[in-house]
Amino acid sequence: DAGVIQSPRHEVTEMGQEVTLRCKPISGHNSLFWYRQTMMRGLELLIYFNNNVPIDDSGMPEDRFSAKMPNASFSTLKIQPSEPRDSAVYFCASSLNQGAANVLTFGAGSRLTVL
Amino acid sequence: KQEVTQIPAALSVPEGENLVLNCSFTDSAIYNLQWFRQDPGKGLTSLLLIQSSQREQTSGRLNASLDKSSGRSTLYIAASQPGDSATYLCAVLSRSQGNLIFGKGTKLSVKP
Repeated sequence: DAGVIQSPRHEVTEMGQEVTLRCKPISGHNSLFWYRQTMMRGLELLIYFNNNVPIDDSGMPEDRFSAKMPNASFSTLKIQPSEPRDSAVYFCASSLNQGAANVLTFGAGSRLTVL
Repeated sequence: KQEVTQIPAALSVPEGENLVLNCSFTDSAIYNLQWFRQDPGKGLTSLLLIQSSQREQTSGRLNASLDKSSGRSTLYIAASQPGDSATYLCAVLSRSQGNLIFGKGTKLSVKP
């Protein structure tokens, strides 16, 4: 298995532009997580899905952020409009939801820079 | 609300030393605690997972302990090597929040 695949790996955009980050989870995994990592705040959970259904989106910072999971093999995180403070590394992770034995596999991340 | 703290934020040791990384959490109602490794520019790699009912887990030169009642975990690395240089993150799967809560990590540098 190729692991969790994220694209793009790097994105530089200007303030106000729309940004779409993509994630392909590991085949067979039924939970998918979007995290954001910054120096100041560390890793923060934005949203997670279970069986393609959003379970907890309380970490989504504001309405400019949205996430979808149209099927078990694909998810997107969209920021519209983007702002400089959105600059961070965004990680996608997936797991086979096993409760207490839940082990997440992370993608390599998408580094976003908003100018 | 669960909070996870890691001390120290950074650590530099000479090769061959044994070392301990510390993690503390505020709410003992957890399913498990996990230690991850993150290399620069890369994602996170799971190292060890300790269930709430367990006291420790071992993998090679790594040993992680869990004291749930005091809200503490340690990651012990024996005979450190330059290849161990990375950021180590601790995360708890909290019963109340249902998702992994991460510490900010300890950046380890092992000098040859």
